[in-house]
Parts: sequence; structure tokens; C-alpha cells
Amino acid sequence: KAGVTQTPRYLIKTRGQQVTLSCSPISGHRSVSWYQQTPGQGLQFLFEYFSETQRNKGNFPGRFSGRQFSNSRSEMNVSTLELGDSALYLCASSGYRDTSAANVLTFGAGSRLTVL
Amino acid sequence: TQLLEQSPQFLSIQEGENLTVYCNSSSVFSSLQWYRQEPGEGPVLLVTVVTGGEVKKLKRLTFQFGDARKDSSLHITAAQPGDTGLYLCVLWRTGNNRKLIWGLGTSLAVNP
Repeated sequence: KAGVTQTPRYLIKTRGQQVTLSCSPISGHRSVSWYQQTPGQGLQFLFEYFSETQRNKGNFPGRFSGRQFSNSRSEMNVSTLELGDSALYLCASSGYRDTSAANVLTFGAGSRLTVL
Repeated sequence: TQLLEQSPQFLSIQEGENLTVYCNSSSVFSSLQWYRQEPGEGPVLLVTVVTGGEVKKLKRLTFQFGDARKDSSLHITAAQPGDTGLYLCVLWRTGNNRKLIWGLGTSLAVNP
């Protein structure tokens, strides 16, 4: 069973550009969440999608957006990149969205974004 | 406001030593998970604890959830180089306003 696949693994952009990151969840998983990871802030929640609907959103500016497709694949987009957006962006999928219990999150290897 | 603290931040030990890392919160949460993240990879779930006072063992790893469900510890016996990685705890507040709070992690290096 294939794991969570994130592409691209590494990318370098310059300030002001935009970037799109892709996440393919485990087959059959319908919940996808995105995180930004930096050494100083740790994992910061960006957003969560379930069945193509955004269910939760973290405290990030509107430059950060996402979407989920009918096949559960998800993309996130960051526009007008800033130096501080340099980070590892992680995607996690879950087979269910049980709000009454901790869910099992399966993470991809991440997309390492460097903004120059 | 950092609601979740992990300590120590960094730990470097020799193979065969024992160690304990901690995860402390200022709030009560429904459940807690520990993940391990190896360099170049995403975090991998180790355990979920739900009940106050609960103790779970995973081979050489022992996890404990505090009685008040505000803290947890991870004890590793006879550490091996394969235990090297970033140990993250995450607290879950379940319900309609579901929320996860991640710690910054403990970076563990086990030297052969």
C-alpha cells in the first residue's frame, strides 16, 4: 500500500513568486491536513480537508490556500512568497475524521521550500 | 502562547543509555500522541494515550500519560542509534472545535 506522496520534494523560489505543492494521500483516505514545520515554530497547522471541503484552518495569512480534489488529492498554494515562508511543508492523511478521538495521521516526507 | 512544552530540547547520549523526555501542557486535553521524525522524513506515529495514568510499552519505549491528562513522558531503555530522531508530542482537543497542539520536539542523537 503506497504511502503519502508529496511533490516536489525540494524547490527553490524567489520572493514574490508563488508555489503549488501537491499531496497524494493513502488510497482510500479522505482526510488531508497540511503543516508548516520550521525549527523555531515546530509544526504549525495550515488547513484540513475532508471530502473536498475545508474543515479547519490555522492562523496563516490569506496567501496560503489549499484545495482537495474528488480523488482526495490535495494541493496547497502560497502566493507572493516571503523569506519567512522557507520551511518544510508536510501533508498528512487519515482514513477517517473522527472528532471524538485522536486520529492516526500518516505523513508524507514533505516538500522543502527555500525562498531566496 | 506556547501551550505545550517538550524537554529537553536536545539530547545526545551513548548507545545503551536510558533516557526520558517530557511533554507538559498548561491545559487538559482529550488524548496525546507521540511521533518520531527521522531526518528527511515525515513524523511517524508511535503511540496514542487516552486515559489519565495510562502506560503503554512499545519494545524498549515506555509511554505514560499523566493522571491529570496534562503531561506525558517517554522513556527509552538501552537506546540504539536507530532511535535517533525528533520526538514530537501532540495534544488533541476533540469535539466540534477539534484542535491539535504540537510541541517543538526533543531532538535525540544516539551515538554508537
